[in-house]
Amino acid sequence: NAGVTQTPKFQVLKTGQSMTLQCAQDMNHEYMSWYRQDPGMGLRLIHYSVGAGITDQGEVPNGYNVSRSTTEDFPLRLLSAAPSQTSVYFCASRRTSDEQFFGPGTRLTVL
Amino acid sequence: AQKITQTQPGMFVQEKEAVTLDCTYDTSDQSYGLFWYKQPSSGEMIFLIYQGSYDEQNATEGRYSLNFQKARKSANLVISASQLGDSAMYFCAMRYTGGFKTIFGAGTRLFVKA
Repeated sequence: NAGVTQTPKFQVLKTGQSMTLQCAQDMNHEYMSWYRQDPGMGLRLIHYSVGAGITDQGEVPNGYNVSRSTTEDFPLRLLSAAPSQTSVYFCASRRTSDEQFFGPGTRLTVL
Repeated sequence: AQKITQTQPGMFVQEKEAVTLDCTYDTSDQSYGLFWYKQPSSGEMIFLIYQGSYDEQNATEGRYSLNFQKARKSANLVISASQLGDSAMYFCAMRYTGGFKTIFGAGTRLFVKA
């Protein structure tokens, strides 16, 4: 099992550009989530999904879109990147009542 | 609303000694789970230990134990016999049983001295 994979590992964008962060898991987990990690603030939930076709907003959803067309994949789309979106992004997955498994993270810089 | 508070931004411990990392939480729900994760300098998030709100015994996993005091709403992580490899950020997290969202504290950075 590869677990949770994320691509890319690093990305630099210019303000206003759009891009998609990819996340995939091969554990057949129902739940998937996207977090952003900023210094001194822990992890904050952006969006989550409880199954294919079902997504919902977390604490900080503005500026981000998600979709879940398959159980395995949960991409995060930045619509128009802003410097405030400079962060480390983690994707995570879990079964219903278990702990979360995290991907290795994507370090994003928006200039 | 749920909230996790980790009041120690940084902690130092001597190698081979025990250390306690504090975590308090705020919730009105009766059924929930508490988690601790470790984040080394390489950046990955590693699950350490889980405690359910109705578990009667404190959780233990090797050198990690969770000192759960439900009335005080605290879930402190105890690391026994600290090792240099324990130097990392540690995050406390909580989720309602059956809930969708896991919330995290701001973290505590632990430094283990040789």
